[in-house]
Amino acid sequence: AQSVTQLDSQVPVFEEAPVELRCNYSSSVSVYLFWYVQYPNQGLQLLLKYLSGSTLVESINGFEAEFNKSQTSFHLRKPSVHISDTAEYFCAVTHTSGYSTLTFGKGTMLLVSP
Amino acid sequence: NAGVMQNPRHLVRRRGQEARLRCSPMKGHSHVYWYRQLPEEGLKFMVYLQKENIIDESGMPKERFSAEFPKEGPSILRIQQVVRGDSAAYFCASSPSKGADSGNTIYFGEGSWLTVV
Repeated sequence: AQSVTQLDSQVPVFEEAPVELRCNYSSSVSVYLFWYVQYPNQGLQLLLKYLSGSTLVESINGFEAEFNKSQTSFHLRKPSVHISDTAEYFCAVTHTSGYSTLTFGKGTMLLVSP
Repeated sequence: NAGVMQNPRHLVRRRGQEARLRCSPMKGHSHVYWYRQLPEEGLKFMVYLQKENIIDESGMPKERFSAEFPKEGPSILRIQQVVRGDSAAYFCASSPSKGADSGNTIYFGEGSWLTVV
């Protein structure tokens, strides 16, 4: 079975500051990794995903995440955040072979203030 | 192209009543997933269905909860004799074929918030 740990339940930052949201996973087999974003009272939207190839993946709105197999991490970063980035961010993992459901971390609330 | 549609968005039930949550997957999607989100917790998998079949219900409580995805119509998550602990956000998601374990994106609806009073 796989699991995901998001160590920070809340990350407050000022607008235009850089941010890193941490995600570590546990799995005995190869994984696919995902970051989803949830704005207040809305569903989850896929931000980016790692399947294979380059370990650095990017989203269209400036976020990026790097798959680090040795550290079993998939941290999410943005060099300069906007107020509109305020949301809850969920890291998720699934196995690459055989049947597996998507397992989510508990989420990190990113609070961007002016 | 409409996304995953869930209704009702908000539902209030008294203890002991039944709650029915509906989910229409994205057009062309035949795989449906239900997740539950409790306060300060992540999303927990409940059940995975394809048309007329339950593929995996390992996350579903053994009693009072059931799910279906009929040949025609939306998927239904049914909670009988609701209790306060059932208060949560219930999210439905869909994918066109196999899900995240094949690298596919699963698309989420906006959720149904159940409050049991």
